[in-house]
Amino acid sequence: GQNIDQPTEMTATEGAIVQINCTYQTSGFNGLFWYQQHAGEAPTFLSYNVLDGLEEKGRFSSFLSRSKGYSYLLLKELQMKDSASYLCAVRDPSSGTYKYIFGTGTRLKVLA
Amino acid sequence: DTEVTQTPKHLVMGMTNKKSLKCEQHMGHRAMYWYKQKAKKPPELMFVYSYEKLSINESVPSRFSPECPNSSLLNLHLHALQPEDSALYLCASSQPDGRAFFGQGTRLTVV
Repeated sequence: GQNIDQPTEMTATEGAIVQINCTYQTSGFNGLFWYQQHAGEAPTFLSYNVLDGLEEKGRFSSFLSRSKGYSYLLLKELQMKDSASYLCAVRDPSSGTYKYIFGTGTRLKVLA
Repeated sequence: DTEVTQTPKHLVMGMTNKKSLKCEQHMGHRAMYWYKQKAKKPPELMFVYSYEKLSINESVPSRFSPECPNSSLLNLHLHALQPEDSALYLCASSQPDGRAFFGQGTRLTVV
């Protein structure tokens, strides 16, 4: 079956660093994507990994270990506007076409 | 243009109504998706179209009927919905090896 897990909620302080973990077990794997979603809005793309290792993109970095079925999103220099839900999604090609399967999502609250 | 446009933004419909949600993209993406999202939950995949053909139906009830008239447009026809179908409906598109772009969604309320 498909299983993608994230912590439900996290709280951090403005200016700090936070790491959001994602573990997955899926039928197929062709990349792991991180999206940010503010309440009532569409998910917006943050970062993705296809190969093992760290991808850095400004204040956001994402790490992948395919052998462990594990990824994390690192947010540095937190700002109040980073309060949102963070979704990891696995791109699964096993049905003959690509589909994006979302994890449970992590609601991040940034405090002043 | 990296936009996926959905209309309408909000829709209220009765259980006997027929309505349609529309989605448009001009990025040349050949895969298009419908997702359903309930409050405080992640998006759940409903349908995937690949090269204008339905390739995945995630066991969605027949009261939801997707249509892909051409490579830029995706519709979701709604008929005889239930109150529990009230949700945010998201459309997305992607290249086969690329990231998915999401529209702003249609907030649907079934009364």
